[in-house]
Amino acid sequence: AQSVTQLGSHVSVSEGALVLLRCNYSSSVPPYLFWYVQYPNQGLQLLLKYTTGATLVKGINGFEAEFKKSETSFHLTKPSAHMSDAAEYFCAVSDMRGGKLIFGQGTELSVKP
Amino acid sequence: NAGVTQTPKFRVLKTGQSMTLLCAQDMNHEYMYWYRQDPGMGLRLIHYSVGEGTTAKGEVPDGYNVSRLKKQNFLLGLESAAPSQTSVYFCASNHLGLADTQYFGPGTRLTVL
Repeated sequence: AQSVTQLGSHVSVSEGALVLLRCNYSSSVPPYLFWYVQYPNQGLQLLLKYTTGATLVKGINGFEAEFKKSETSFHLTKPSAHMSDAAEYFCAVSDMRGGKLIFGQGTELSVKP
Repeated sequence: NAGVTQTPKFRVLKTGQSMTLLCAQDMNHEYMYWYRQDPGMGLRLIHYSVGEGTTAKGEVPDGYNVSRLKKQNFLLGLESAAPSQTSVYFCASNHLGLADTQYFGPGTRLTVL
C-alpha cells in the first residue's frame, strides 16, 4: 500500500529565502506523485505532478520538485519565497487501484517579511 | 466553466440530524471523490465514484453514504450526524483517475454540535 510522509507540519521562511518542503513516499509500484497547494479558505489546486519521464518537474508559481527513486522522495522547492506563497502544501501519491490519491498530512508554509 | 461546485458552503447541525452535501462538476469527468480534511491529518477519502451509477468506499466511509445518479453530480449524505463528523468536506473530480489531476471544489465547513 502506498503512503506519504511530509516532514514538518509547519515551515517558516523569510521572504526571498529558499523554500524546501519535504515529502517521502512508500510504494510497491512506480508512483505517480503530486504536490497540491491550498490557500486559506479555498480548495486544493495542483502545483505539479510526476508521472513518467524527466525526474525534475516544474510547476506553477516557480515551484519545482525532483523525483528521487533511490531516496523515495519528492521534495518541493522554490528558490525565492514570496509573501503570496503562504499556504498549506500537500504531497500525494496515486493509489494504483482506481486512481485514488493518498495525501500526506500537509505542511503549512509561513513567509516572514 | 464553473468547474467543481459544492453546496452548501457552511452548515451547523445538531447531533442526530441528517443532511446532504451536493457536488457538481461541469467538466464531464468520470471520476468523483469526497474527502474530509481535519487538522494534522491531511485529506482522507470518504467515498468515490468511477462513473455514473457506481460508488465505492474510501478510507473513512463509516457514517456516510453517497449516490451518483447523474454523471455531473455526487451527493454525500450524513444520516445521523455526530460531533466526530465536524470537518471540512471537499469534493473533487477528474477524467482518467490514476495519473490525472484532481480538480477540487471550494469545500463545505460542517459543524456538528
